[in-house]
Amino acid sequence: DAGITQSPRHKVTETGTPVTLRCHQTENHRYMYWYRQDPGHGLRLIHYSYGVKDTDKGEVSDGYSVSRSKTEDFLLTLESATSSQTSVYFCATFWRGSLHFGNGTRLTVT
Amino acid sequence: KNEVEQSPQNLTAQEGEFITINCSYSVGISALHWLQQHPGGGIVSLFMLSSGKKKHGRLIATINIQEKHSSLHITASHPRDSAVYICAVMDSNYQLIWGAGTKLIIKP
Repeated sequence: DAGITQSPRHKVTETGTPVTLRCHQTENHRYMYWYRQDPGHGLRLIHYSYGVKDTDKGEVSDGYSVSRSKTEDFLLTLESATSSQTSVYFCATFWRGSLHFGNGTRLTVT
Repeated sequence: KNEVEQSPQNLTAQEGEFITINCSYSVGISALHWLQQHPGGGIVSLFMLSSGKKKHGRLIATINIQEKHSSLHITASHPRDSAVYICAVMDSNYQLIWGAGTKLIIKP
């Protein structure tokens, strides 16, 4: 375990509310990723980060924003949650050959 | 055509059988990863390969860079090996391109 903590682990929220998911790592890994996993789609990249304040969009970035003000924290924000954003969200880190995933956040938007 | 193709999509076998899962890719890569996901569970990295072969316990992973092909083998399979196995290739920008996964069921 590379010391990746995702919080919260589960969340139920209402349509239209903002939601922030947190990924915290203790291994000083440079690259961090946010994925969503849905049945029939596998893992899809939302946003990623090459380092502090260095982020870029993935294939399914609409409706999501991210911030990385410290190496250890990568925040994913759903600006106005929609039912289509109900999913399991995984954070991952990579550095020097080591790829690790958090345990996931199950988000339900009602 | 997907850039990373896994086969088979589903595999059911009896305990003790030798298992092979294949991954072919069509892009240039810096490395290839094999990962495991149990139902409802997290994702665990099994191997990262850039050449040759790696072994960990009953798991063996090989890669042929020239043929753009990798295999994951499980020897003496056990019901606890039942999971989804995912191949992902990493490009030169540290982006992962994912295969669709192979769902493996090992029956006692």
